[in-house]
Amino acid sequence: DADVTQTPRNRITKTGKRIMLECSQTKGHDRMYWYRQDPGLGLRLIYYSFDVKDINKGEISDGYSVSRQAQAKFSLSLESAIPNQTALYFCATSDGPRLAGGASTDTQYFGPGTRLTVL
Amino acid sequence: AQSVTQLDSQVPVFEEAPVELRCNYSSSVSVYLFWYVQYPNQGLQLLLKYLSGSTLVKGINGFEAEFNKSQTSFHLRKPSVHISDTAEYFCAVIRNSGGYQKVTFGTGTKLQVIP
Repeated sequence: DADVTQTPRNRITKTGKRIMLECSQTKGHDRMYWYRQDPGLGLRLIYYSFDVKDINKGEISDGYSVSRQAQAKFSLSLESAIPNQTALYFCATSDGPRLAGGASTDTQYFGPGTRLTVL
Repeated sequence: AQSVTQLDSQVPVFEEAPVELRCNYSSSVSVYLFWYVQYPNQGLQLLLKYLSGSTLVKGINGFEAEFNKSQTSFHLRKPSVHISDTAEYFCAVIRNSGGYQKVTFGTGTKLQVIP
């Protein structure tokens, strides 16, 4: 079984709809992340969390919210989806010290991604 | 400001030939450097990383990279590629300034290994 899973793997929705992307991990890591990947732009950090009570904005948090329901679960929500949020979304986990900024020198383990299309 | 440049968006190479994927960065403070690989329909997987010490870093699958501080580069190399190396490769830089760490990913280089 995969260590980091994401659901759904693909989603097509309409502008204005609320969408939730879910991530679960079995690695026992405290740190979890949400990234989006756009062609020609690489990955950009949306939110990161050190634990259930510690959630932080990343580089591009506007239009997104997150929920850390448990150590193993980290959900990303788009309250009112818009077309420019069409992208590939990745969840990741890592171990390591709690340092501000959302980066970790420890190895990050990525989920398989969710391809979201907003029409 | 910090940026990461991967000049080559696509690199075709014949099987068993050597390959170099280029990564340059700009930063006025100390950095940590990473290479990730993304196979089709999968998430990113760490290939190797430079945190400190020897500037030549060896990673998985026969890849290695060399940190060159004077040229602000961290090029990825493999002496002989296989078909299975066909993937997209991302360079990433973590800038460490006063305990605040921010990661920046490059735009990726697609390696196509030709039989």
